[in-house]
Amino acid sequence: AQKVTQAQTEISVVEKEDVTLDCVYETRDTTYYLFWYKQPPSGELVFLIRRNSFDEQNEISGRYSWNFQKSTSSFNFTITASQVVDSAVYFCALNQNNYGQNFVFGPGTRLSVLP
Amino acid sequence: DTEVTQTPKHLVMGMTNKKSLKCEQHMGHRAMYWYKQKAKKPPELMFVYSYEKLSINESVPSRFSPECPNSSLLNLHLHALQPEDSALYLCASSQDPSGNTDTQYFGPGTRLTVL
Repeated sequence: AQKVTQAQTEISVVEKEDVTLDCVYETRDTTYYLFWYKQPPSGELVFLIRRNSFDEQNEISGRYSWNFQKSTSSFNFTITASQVVDSAVYFCALNQNNYGQNFVFGPGTRLSVLP
Repeated sequence: DTEVTQTPKHLVMGMTNKKSLKCEQHMGHRAMYWYKQKAKKPPELMFVYSYEKLSINESVPSRFSPECPNSSLLNLHLHALQPEDSALYLCASSQDPSGNTDTQYFGPGTRLTVL
């Protein structure tokens, strides 16, 4: 079975603060892929990152960084110096190698960045 | 270019109407998806087409009828819907259906209201 937990339902921060969104996953497979998507109020899910289970290197892309730790089954997402445009719902998702094309999405975290 | 387009953006229909949602991608992707998303929930997979053939139907009621006329186009035909079918309908595509952990790219969605 696969499961993704995003314990933070809603987070509010003031602009320029750093914020970390947590993602914890469950899977029995040794090969799997993790994703983060952003959904702004317009509705479109915007792909942010894809990471496979064999690559535990952290990744940084501009103000975004991701921390993947297999030991704790976590794939956390940090936004540095947050901006109002970062306000959105963020989904973490999991897919196992032999599970077909069905992503398992977490429940999402709603981030509000206040000016 | 990772663009998936969807029309219409908004749709209001009565329970006796017949309407269709349209999705298009020109990225050469050979897997296309329909998702349903209710407010404050993650997307739920409805259908998957692989190489223009229906490969996954997640026990969706027959009042939703998908169609994939060619590799770039995906339709969702709607008939005799219920008010509880009101939701955001998202289309997605991914490159290789056999690589089932491919990144899925989403369109902006159609916001459907059933009266």
